[in-house]
Amino acid sequence: IVLTQSPGTLSLSPGERATLSCRASQSTSDYLAWYQQKPGQAPRLLIFGASTRVAGIPDRFSGSGSGTDFTLIISRLEPEDFAIYYCQHYGGPPITFGQGTRLEIK
Amino acid sequence: QVQLVQSGAEVQKPGASVKVSCKASGYTFVGFAISWVRQAPGQGLEWMGWTSTYTGNTNYAQKLQDRVTMTTDASTTTAYMELRSLRSDDTAIYYCARVGKAGTGFDYWGQGTLVTVSS
Repeated sequence: IVLTQSPGTLSLSPGERATLSCRASQSTSDYLAWYQQKPGQAPRLLIFGASTRVAGIPDRFSGSGSGTDFTLIISRLEPEDFAIYYCQHYGGPPITFGQGTRLEIK
Repeated sequence: QVQLVQSGAEVQKPGASVKVSCKASGYTFVGFAISWVRQAPGQGLEWMGWTSTYTGNTNYAQKLQDRVTMTTDASTTTAYMELRSLRSDDTAIYYCARVGKAGTGFDYWGQGTLVTVSS
């Protein structure tokens, strides 16, 4: 399953709403996760099962979608949210990642 | 608390092999599979494969299956990833990650090990 994320780069200001998209080449059966990666750090799991937030992740992060189209929304951007976000299909093997969306400060 | 602590950075020559370790603590090691993911400089995440800590069964990414071996040692709660016949495009940060229960993704990650392949 190939995952295509859009946009490649998203430029927004703190306080704004971010909408990140992940489209799969075929149905993922909702084995879809979202990760955040900051420079010099390992990825961090935010969302699994397309919409279940990991314990300790702020509720401004939400995931939605099913089948082949998924969305990660950050409702009100905080300065620490600017990072790269990856979606992942983990229903394999194989496991696949999207190419990432870079969320940068405008 | 759950921790995955990886071995230190490596520099290897083309054609050599590298073996990266991942020491797990804070949970029952045998209950969770371990996956390996790499990231070339400035690039995205690439899944390499995974291994069951219970059965030792493995599944590798097709492009690497001839060169990679993943193992675990329950007595020391350590997972290992060996990559052979190294090439310059194997230069990357290599991460181990715990595969969560019941379809929850990769819930804990090691800090990463930089492997540089250079003559």
